Amino acid sequence: KAGVTQTPRYLIKTRGQQVTLSCSPISGHRSVSWYQQTPGQGLQFLFEYFSETQRNKGNFPGRFSGRQFSNSRSEMNVSTLELGDSALYLCASSLAGLAGVYSYNEQFFGPGTRLTVL
Amino acid sequence: GIQVEQSPPDLILQEGANSTLRCNFSDSVNNLQWFHQNPWGQLINLFYIPSGTKQNGRLSATTVATERYSLLYISSSQTTDSGVYFCAAMRDSGYSTLTFGKGTMLLVSP
Repeated sequence: KAGVTQTPRYLIKTRGQQVTLSCSPISGHRSVSWYQQTPGQGLQFLFEYFSETQRNKGNFPGRFSGRQFSNSRSEMNVSTLELGDSALYLCASSLAGLAGVYSYNEQFFGPGTRLTVL
Repeated sequence: GIQVEQSPPDLILQEGANSTLRCNFSDSVNNLQWFHQNPWGQLINLFYIPSGTKQNGRLSATTVATERYSLLYISSSQTTDSGVYFCAAMRDSGYSTLTFGKGTMLLVSP
């Protein structure tokens, strides 16, 4: 079974631009989560989608947004890029079901998209 | 939210040595995972272990959920074990949100 895939793998943008990152989960997984990793802040949760609905959101400004499609693929968008947005963006998928009903919710991560903002 | 603390922050070993990495978490969890981050940044799943003990080759992990800690054991270290090890926990809240520790940077020298 193919793992989580993310595109593009590397991206260079300039301040003020916007960027869209894509994530395809493992087949059958309906939950997709996004994380940002920086040297200073470590790994931080951005948001989680399940069945095309955002279920949870981390403490990030509104410039960070996302969506999930009916095939569970997800995109995240960052508008008006700032230098501090330079980071590794990781996507994870899991079999997690409805809220409160968990028997197995191991998260599997993709290779990440490394974004550099100049 | 849940707090996750890892220790030690850095560890230097000689090849062949054993090590124990610790992860403390502040709340009850329904998911506790250990990852190894490879040089390219990908998080490689080591263990999914919300409770109990598991072993996979030279690696094993134990989570004592009632005392809110987990341990990762690495035996007979190899240079390829070098890298950052992360512990991540998910609260029993109904959402797939992992909270990560700051990681343990392991360097195994030949």
